[in-house]
Amino acid sequence: DTAVSQTPKYLVTQMGNDKSIKCEQNLGHDTMYWYKQDSKKFLKIMFSYNNKELIINETVPNRFSPKSPDKAHLNLHINSLELGDSAVYFCASTPRDTYNEQFFGPGTRLTVL
Amino acid sequence: GDSVTQMEGPVTLSEEAFLTINCTYTATGYPSLFWYVQYPGEGLQLLLKATKADDKGSNKGFEATYRKETTSFHLEKGSVQVSDSAVYFCALSDGQAGTALIFGKGTTLSVSS
Repeated sequence: DTAVSQTPKYLVTQMGNDKSIKCEQNLGHDTMYWYKQDSKKFLKIMFSYNNKELIINETVPNRFSPKSPDKAHLNLHINSLELGDSAVYFCASTPRDTYNEQFFGPGTRLTVL
Repeated sequence: GDSVTQMEGPVTLSEEAFLTINCTYTATGYPSLFWYVQYPGEGLQLLLKATKADDKGSNKGFEATYRKETTSFHLEKGSVQVSDSAVYFCALSDGQAGTALIFGKGTTLSVSS
C-alpha cells in the first residue's frame, strides 16, 4: 500500500551515461514534483506537473527532462550524466485543497562516477 | 522571494531533554507552514503543519505555533527520545497546488541515551 514509490532506490553510473528514475503515486493526487537534495541535505524544487501539464521548471540543465505519461506517474530522465548530478532525488505529490501538503517518496540516491 | 531560515545543527541532546528548533520565514501573503522529518536513509515525512496565524500544529509530542507577528514557526518537544534522531526541515508554501515547498536547510538532531 505504498503511497509514493520510486525506482530504483540506488543508481550508480558512469559520467556521460543516460538514466531514468521512475515515480508512481497511488493516492489519486493531481500534482507531482521532483526535488533534488544535495550532499548538505538542502532540498530544491526541480519540476512540478499538474494533471500531466508542466507547472514549474526551475533553472535545471536541459539534460534533465521530466515525463508524465499520466497523472499517477512522473519520470525523470537525465542525459549525459555529470559528477555534479550526484544527489538524492525525491518525488512528491499533493492533492487538491490541502494547502499544498506534499507526500514524498523514499528517494533515489544517484551516484555518478 | 519567499525563504525559510532555520537554526543549523547539529543539535545534540540527552534523552528526555527539551527540544527547540527555531524557524523563521519571509513570505508575501499568508503561507502555510510545515515541519518535515527525515530519518536516516528515508524520505521526508510530514510531522506537522499550520495553515493560518495562531494555528498550532502537533504530532508525536512535537508542537509548533504559527506566529505571524514574529514570522516564526519554532518546533518544540518536551522530552526527546533516541528515536527522534533525524533531520528536521521547516518549509513554507503559498498554499497553491503545483507550487513548490520552500525548505530551510535542515537541522540534524542527535539524541543519546
